[in-house]
Amino acid sequence: AQKITQTQPGMFVQEKEAVTLDCTYDTSDPSYGLFWYKQPSSGEMIFLIYQGSYDQQNATEGRYSLNFQKARKSANLVISASQLGDSAMYFCAMRDFTGNQFYFGTGTSLTVIP
Amino acid sequence: DAGITQSPRYKITETGRQVTLMCHQTWSHSYMFWYRQDLGHGLRLIYYSAAADITDKGEVPDGYVVSRSKTENFPLTLESATRSQTSVYFCASCRDSFTEAFFGQGTRLTVV
Repeated sequence: AQKITQTQPGMFVQEKEAVTLDCTYDTSDPSYGLFWYKQPSSGEMIFLIYQGSYDQQNATEGRYSLNFQKARKSANLVISASQLGDSAMYFCAMRDFTGNQFYFGTGTSLTVIP
Repeated sequence: DAGITQSPRYKITETGRQVTLMCHQTWSHSYMFWYRQDLGHGLRLIYYSAAADITDKGEVPDGYVVSRSKTENFPLTLESATRSQTSVYFCASCRDSFTEAFFGQGTRLTVV
């Protein structure tokens, strides 16, 4: 069974500093995708970044990068130069390409301190 | 409007009543999903659909029914609502197996 684990219920970071949000996953499927979503207090789910299991390089999208360590089954999100607007819940998710289910972790609440 | 929309946004219902949450997407995405979001549990998959007339159970399907007669619609029905089904429900869609899912705004359901 697939599983996503986010071990940090809450994190604090100083404005303009970088922060890493942890995510580990468990799958026996060789082909899968990893995603990060942001959920601000307004409630909508915002897609941030995607990493495919066969991608050789770590994905980057602006200030977001995904630190993908396949052997360790980890897909940590790195946010550089944190901004006050980054305060939100962050969810890691995995999609296996055969079963088509989309699994989410329990989320990490990030607070950016001015 | 283009995108994925859920209705209603808020709903209060009584225990035992049937209630249907609607989800409509305008992209003709193949895949659609229903999740519930509860504190401490993240998002849990209730049902998903790979195409019209194809649906499958997720992690927490008990007490829910779905249908998908048209690609763009994926309604979720609570057959006999219980207080444990009080939650925020999200519908999502994605084009194929390799792309991100887009989410609706969510429906906050309270069962009293």
